[in-house]
Amino acid sequence: DAGITQSPRHKVTETGTPVTLRCHQTENHRYMYWYRQDPGHGLRLIHYSYGVKDTDKGEVSDGYSVSRSKTEDFLLTLESATSSQTSVYFCAISELPWGEQYFGPGTRLTVT
Amino acid sequence: AQSVSQHNHHVILSEAASLELGCNYSYGGTVNLFWYVQYPGQHLQLLLKYFSGDPLVKGIKGFEAEFIKSKFSFNLRKPSVQWSDTAEYFCAVNADNNAGNMLTFGGGTRLMVKP
Repeated sequence: DAGITQSPRHKVTETGTPVTLRCHQTENHRYMYWYRQDPGHGLRLIHYSYGVKDTDKGEVSDGYSVSRSKTEDFLLTLESATSSQTSVYFCAISELPWGEQYFGPGTRLTVT
Repeated sequence: AQSVSQHNHHVILSEAASLELGCNYSYGGTVNLFWYVQYPGQHLQLLLKYFSGDPLVKGIKGFEAEFIKSKFSFNLRKPSVQWSDTAEYFCAVNADNNAGNMLTFGGGTRLMVKP
């Protein structure tokens, strides 16, 4: 398995609080992604990064921000969590553009 | 933007039965195609991929998929399933109009294999 860790693995938080999820890779891959997984929707891209300090929006970016200050770390922040952001969040990495992506173990986030 | 459809949401099979899961995408240009599997409680793992060349690709664990460009399809097959194949399967597409290497996923197919 690719060297990808996510923290925390589980989190319960209250509506309106800020939340930051961390993705850490040891593969030195250029591309990193944040997806959310919801039943019936597969995975949907939130944001992605194509290099340090280079990020862009995905399909469902509203309410989320990201930062990448080092190659190995990609942070996803929910500025003010809402119940609709209850989901499982997966980080992925890719070495090449248009190549396969490798996924982390996921973070289960519950917003009450 | 491209979309991916997996028409079978739930499939139940007995061990040794043959499997075919459908995947169709909506984009007329060049695509890279993937099948991922997610075992219960685990992350997604790559089963197989198609970039170019032979449209019949073989993956891990005895799975294969056939790319039929004229039908915009990339169906997953396995001749004889095992109980351990119980999982959710996702088809994904990456199109050449996609500057960010974004994968578009289908909604997934839950496979249950009865022993």
